[in-house]
Formats: sequence, C-alpha cells, structure tokens
Amino acid sequence: QTVVTQEPSFSVSPGGTVTLTCGLSSGSVSTRYSPSWYQQTPGQPPRTLIYNTNTRSSGVPDRFSGSILGNKAALTITGAQADDESDYYCALFVGGGTLYVFGTGTKVTVL
Amino acid sequence: QVQLVQSGAEVKQPGASAKVSCKTSGYSFTSYYYHWVRQAPGQGLEWMGIFNPTDGSTSYAQRFQGRVAMTGDTSTSTVYMELSSLRSEDTAIYYCVAETPATKFFDNWGQGTLVTVSS
Repeated sequence: QTVVTQEPSFSVSPGGTVTLTCGLSSGSVSTRYSPSWYQQTPGQPPRTLIYNTNTRSSGVPDRFSGSILGNKAALTITGAQADDESDYYCALFVGGGTLYVFGTGTKVTVL
Repeated sequence: QVQLVQSGAEVKQPGASAKVSCKTSGYSFTSYYYHWVRQAPGQGLEWMGIFNPTDGSTSYAQRFQGRVAMTGDTSTSTVYMELSSLRSEDTAIYYCVAETPATKFFDNWGQGTLVTVSS
C-alpha cells in the first residue's frame, strides 16, 4: 500500500517562509506523479492551490509555489499571512489499483 | 467552471447503504471526470474513486472495491456515490470533485455531505 507522508505541523512567523514536503513510502516523487496541493480551513472543502507540480490554480496568490525538492514534492509559502493558517494536503497520481493517494496533511500555524 | 451541489446530511445504521448525489451545473456534464473523496472527523483526505460520464467507466480505490458504486445520470447532470455495508468507520464528509479530463488533479469541489453511521 502506497503511503504519502507530510510533516504533521509547521509554525511560521508572519512574513516568513515555510516549505512543506510530500514524500512517497516507496521511492521518489517526480513530475510524473502530477503532484497537487490543497488548502483546507475548518468546516470548508479543500481549495486547489497547485497542480502539475508547480502551476498555480486560478486566483491563488503568487506567494504559493510548488516544486520538486530532492525526492519529494514541495509547497513553499513565501511571506506567510495570517489567513494562510490552514491544513495543507498533497495528492499524487500513483496509478495501479488505487489511482490517487493523498498525503497525511500538514497543519500550518502562523504566529 | 462547473458548480457541484451535493445532497444533505444522512444518518445510517450499521450495515445499511448510503447514496450521495452531486448535481452539476454551469458546464457540460460530460466535460469532466468526477471523483469522490472522503474525510473522517479530524482526519485527512482519502480518495475513493472516479467516474467518467462519457462512457460510464469507473475506477475504485482498492479498499472500497466491492462496496462502492459510482454512477451518473446525464439527463439530470447528476453523479451518485453509493457505499454499502456501512460501519462506524465510514462516518465522514464525502466530497464530489470534478477533474478536467487527464489533468490529474482535483479542480472543483462540492460542499461535502456528512454521512453518520450510528445505531
């Protein structure tokens, strides 16, 4: 069974930079996994931030960026703002019997 | 951009089935694939499966094989997800999500439907 791991939590100061990662239990994440990233606040459905590794979804501020760092997908928030305080999930297209797997999620606190 | 409006919350007994609907509008029904993603209370997101309204084909996550069915009605532009043999661990918010075909990401999300399994 494929497991996609993310850091459980991060704390960042307002205006600071934080990089979240998304790793695979079996091997390296590359662009062929079409990494995507989602932001979720309590009581709301997720919001799409990034797709195809590094393409921002419509209306997403440019302080959010996606990349591959080493063997993981990464989401960087540059110049964090108070309303970036959310849960963040990555998703990978892994194919096979279960086509997509979500990461375990990262809770970001801005303080 | 497609809009997705899901049916209301449900309470089901263990062993029963739940069928959640997702009415689409704003774009051609067959222009998207439709996924179902669930989230148990306080937990993360879990992909359940995908439905292609063009040909009715489906692909389900292995852990739901045999227990889930995803269907669609082109006359009402509505997709459905039915989960059978419910157990308490199936208590979750179920989201309908649209994907522009072959883009491999979850583009437009429904508001979610809470299914509670309790005796």
